[in-house]
Amino acid sequence: EVQLVESGGGLVQPGGSLRLSCTASGFTFSTDSMNWVRQAPGKGLEWVSYITSSSSTIYYADSVKGRFTISRDNAKNSLYLQMNSLRDEDTAVYYCARDPGGNSGAYYFDYWGQGTLVTVSS
Amino acid sequence: DIQMTQSPSTLSASVGDRVTITCRASQSISSWLAWYQQKPGKAPKLLIYKASSLESGVPSRFSGSGSGTEFTLTINSLQPDDFATYYCQQYSSYWTFGQGTKVEIK
Repeated sequence: EVQLVESGGGLVQPGGSLRLSCTASGFTFSTDSMNWVRQAPGKGLEWVSYITSSSSTIYYADSVKGRFTISRDNAKNSLYLQMNSLRDEDTAVYYCARDPGGNSGAYYFDYWGQGTLVTVSS
Repeated sequence: DIQMTQSPSTLSASVGDRVTITCRASQSISSWLAWYQQKPGKAPKLLIYKASSLESGVPSRFSGSGSGTEFTLTINSLQPDDFATYYCQQYSSYWTFGQGTKVEIK
């Protein structure tokens, strides 16, 4: 059974930093691209970042570019999101989501974690 | 950037109804469109990919159609479990979601 479990969320002051983790199981993590998607309270979904299986290609949404860094450790079946210079508008539930396309990429998201809440507030 | 616009934002329907949600892209995205269902406090669930391909395990009452800039998600014979919010997502150029359509009980 595919499982994605996020952790690392919490309350942080504006300007602060936080590192999210997503631990994968039930599939060959090292062959699939991964994503972070966020959802502000009561709002819709916003794609945040994408990383290929080998970390050779990385993309960011304009809203987080220069502040967030996506990475992965295939030996630990883990995906990360380092978030720096956090702003009030970064408050959201952050989900990790799998691209099921393997090395070719499918570019939609078939499995999602349960999410971890990040609250940016003074 | 490609913008995705869903309509309606809210839809009131009864069990057994046929429901249609529309998603429009600001430019052509071919068939690179997915649909997701989300219930309160839960992660989104993939329903449809490549505009009309049904994800494994998703009931056949869900169907998707369209290409280019206009797409639809249809739910035939709405079931109690289907009351949720639905999102379209383009993956032609990066990723953008529609604002969501809440399907509520009439």
